[in-house]
Amino acid sequence: AQSVTQPDIHITVSEGASLELRCNYSYGATPYLFWYVQSPGQGLQLLLKYFSGDTLVQGIKGFEAEFKRSQSSFNLRKPSVHWSDAAEYFCAVGAGAFGNEKLTFGTGTRLTIIP
Amino acid sequence: GAVVSQHPSRVICKSGTSVKIECRSLDFQATTMFWYRQFPKKSLMLMATSNEGSKATYEQGVEKDKFLINHASLTLSTLTVTSAHPEDSSFYICSARDRAGGREKLFFGSGTQLSVL
Repeated sequence: AQSVTQPDIHITVSEGASLELRCNYSYGATPYLFWYVQSPGQGLQLLLKYFSGDTLVQGIKGFEAEFKRSQSSFNLRKPSVHWSDAAEYFCAVGAGAFGNEKLTFGTGTRLTIIP
Repeated sequence: GAVVSQHPSRVICKSGTSVKIECRSLDFQATTMFWYRQFPKKSLMLMATSNEGSKATYEQGVEKDKFLINHASLTLSTLTVTSAHPEDSSFYICSARDRAGGREKLFFGSGTQLSVL
């Protein structure tokens, strides 16, 4: 069965500092991997996704993620965070033609930005 | 702006009553919607896949008679928690799949916090 682990429940980063959120997955085949962000009172918004090809994926809001098959990881990074990046971040693995079937989410990482 | 509207955002009900949660796609037709449940400090768990005009497909361990799903139109799916009990208290989120133009996107509602007293 597919599964996703986000080992960090809560991360605090200074504004302007770099960020890396960890995600490890378990999946039987080549995975469809996603990062979603959820701000308070909002739905989940897709940041980026990996299906195949280039293992370094660029997303919205300056985020990127790197797929490392050998480590079963799909860590999210941003070189310089902004106060507006404070939110809950979810990593997910999916199935189906576009990966949206049976999405399995991690427990999320809450990001706090300090001045 | 939001393309999937989920209502209500928060509901408190007495044990034994039923609660209906609506999920609407605002500017696209969604033949498929998904319902998730999230416990505190836990992952979002897929409960069921809702298909317009047919019965929902429930994930293993989800009681279909407890969680009634109706997808009667291309823009609306409803989840009814029947005879709610305190253990049903949770955060419920829907998503709708947009397949226009040969591509596929998934849009999420903002969730419903259900508290059963």
